[in-house]
Amino acid sequence: GNSVTQMEGPVTLSEEAFLTINCTYTATGYPSLFWYVQYPGEGLQLLLKATKADDKGSNKGFEATYRKETTSFHLEKGSVQVSDSAVYFCALAYSGAGSYQLTFGKGTKLSVIP
Amino acid sequence: SQTIHQWPATLVQPVGSPLSLECTVEGTSNPNLYWYRQAAGRGLQLLFYSIGIDQISSEVPQNLSASRPQDRQFILSSKKLLLSDSGFYLCAWSFGDRPNYGYTFGSGTRLTVV
Repeated sequence: GNSVTQMEGPVTLSEEAFLTINCTYTATGYPSLFWYVQYPGEGLQLLLKATKADDKGSNKGFEATYRKETTSFHLEKGSVQVSDSAVYFCALAYSGAGSYQLTFGKGTKLSVIP
Repeated sequence: SQTIHQWPATLVQPVGSPLSLECTVEGTSNPNLYWYRQAAGRGLQLLFYSIGIDQISSEVPQNLSASRPQDRQFILSSKKLLLSDSGFYLCAWSFGDRPNYGYTFGSGTRLTVV
């Protein structure tokens, strides 16, 4: 079946540090890949997505590239801010039989300190 | 544009009391609907999903039930709450046939059973 594995946290970084959160997946075919962000006390928001191999999703300074050869979709940001403190979820979507579901990773908590 | 509403935002209920959480979607028809639970410090647990009125699938056996009385309304219920039902409940919707769009989440309900 489909699965997503992301690095366990928590991750603590100083402001302006470089961020990488690893995400690898297992799926048959060609899933769409997503990163969601959850700020404290809120629901999940779509951060970025990629729908085919070698696509790069980007938003708010975050980037992730769909690497089919390594089945990965690592999240990166060149310079984190305190406001980036949140939980980040990697997810994949695979459709079949007229519907689909997202499979989520367990989430990685990021804390950015001034 | 589509919007999702979830209420209440917070709820404190005694053990053994009933529960009703409501979620509605506007601006689309025949959405897929989902209920997730997030226990403290943990990932997302899919509870129920629905691809249409009276078409609800349960992912885990539990003290909860779901209903979809209207196309864009999804209700999570319990007849008698347990302490272990405490958590953050999230509703989400998606297009049934467009996996590239991912899910859109509501703002969540923080349930504390005392």
